Amino acid sequence: AQRVTQPEKLLSVFKGAPVELKCNYSYSGSPELFWYVQYSRQRLQLLLRHISRESIKGFTADLNKGETSFHLKKPFAQEEDSAMYYCALLPGAGSYQLTFGKGTKLSVIP
Amino acid sequence: ETGVTQSPTHLIKTRGQQVTLRCSSQSGHNTVSWYQQALGQGPQFIFQYYREEENGRGNFPPRFSGLQFPNYSSELNVNALELDDSALYLCASRRDSYNEQFFGPGTRLTVL
Repeated sequence: AQRVTQPEKLLSVFKGAPVELKCNYSYSGSPELFWYVQYSRQRLQLLLRHISRESIKGFTADLNKGETSFHLKKPFAQEEDSAMYYCALLPGAGSYQLTFGKGTKLSVIP
Repeated sequence: ETGVTQSPTHLIKTRGQQVTLRCSSQSGHNTVSWYQQALGQGPQFIFQYYREEENGRGNFPPRFSGLQFPNYSSELNVNALELDDSALYLCASRRDSYNEQFFGPGTRLTVL
């Protein structure tokens, strides 16, 4: 069975500081990894997915199969980045069961 | 695409009762998934419906059941409610062959 681990419940950084939200996964196959974000009083929404290899709102994430990690990074945090971030895994072709981590609350201090 | 809606917003039930939660997917989205999100946890997959049939289920007992209708609406039914069923219930819809799921705002269920 697959598992997603986000070791930090809460991460506080100062505005302008780099951000790294950690995500580790366990799955024997070739999964697809996602980051979802939930801003205050808003619904859960997709931030980025590893197969698209794009930067969204300055965030990037690289899938490291050797370390089974998919950490989310941003070089300079902004106050509007404060939100709940969830890492999620899809086992692969034919499966649509997303497995989420417990989430990390990012707080950017002005 | 942020057109997934859920009703009601909040609901309070007592142990042993039954509840029905509703979701309206975006037009053209053939697949709907339901998730349970307990306090302080990430969403947990309950089941998925594709073209009105269940085609995937997580680790939830049979008292969690669902329906999907041709008009892109769906229901989550929970029988014999337990205190641990208190959670935020999310539905998410997507099109065929797309993996991005679009989430609704959720229904907050409290079981007393």
